Amino acid sequence: GAGVSQSPSNKVTEKGKDVELRCDPISGHTALYWYRQRLGQGLEFLIYFQGNSAPDKSGLPSDRFSAERTGESVSTLTIQRTQQEDSAVYLCASSLGFNTGELFFGEGSRLTVL
Amino acid sequence: AQSVTQLDSQVPVFEEAPVELRCNYSSSVSVYLFWYVQYPNQGLQLLLKYLSGSTLVKGINGFEAEFNKSQTSFHLRKPSVHISDTAEYFCAVSDSPGTYKYIFGTGTRLKVLA
Repeated sequence: GAGVSQSPSNKVTEKGKDVELRCDPISGHTALYWYRQRLGQGLEFLIYFQGNSAPDKSGLPSDRFSAERTGESVSTLTIQRTQQEDSAVYLCASSLGFNTGELFFGEGSRLTVL
Repeated sequence: AQSVTQLDSQVPVFEEAPVELRCNYSSSVSVYLFWYVQYPNQGLQLLLKYLSGSTLVKGINGFEAEFNKSQTSFHLRKPSVHISDTAEYFCAVSDSPGTYKYIFGTGTRLKVLA
């Protein structure tokens, strides 16, 4: 597509429910990144994919968070048993490769956990 | 660990006035610096980047930034702002040009007043 697409744009869920957030990167971009932005804070790195492998998952906050990617295409970030502190905007970005210096971001998925 | 400080959370400025958005970083190694902009209802996009060479970097829409190693700063400037520059601006640092672990600041909301 023309840009990075994320869905849903907004998600309200109850504490304890599971949620899935989807990211469709720019066609041909091999690298994909997930960031989180909590209110009043900077972007927080979560995980990075090169192709469908994730060399670095160190930013995932807990084992309730997981992510996968199909080939060099769609990625899904899953949060199990959501907690109120998971409320944030989840941003996905992609880049042509690992060493290009520019990330292309989606508009984000705003998650609210009640 | 690297960190990025954007001291100003909001900057109001009148149209056609100059503006400077401040960014300071902490690092003892080579750094690569970026400014991203997020217009309302859009994803973040790269405004400019410093990888090497001239310390004065020019970006899109008339913005420029100067890398000052001694002051560990990378302030963003524009000599004359437009209403359309109203957006949130994020400073980011990495320790290699294409590293996935960008460290982002908390952002500065620029509001241009008529």
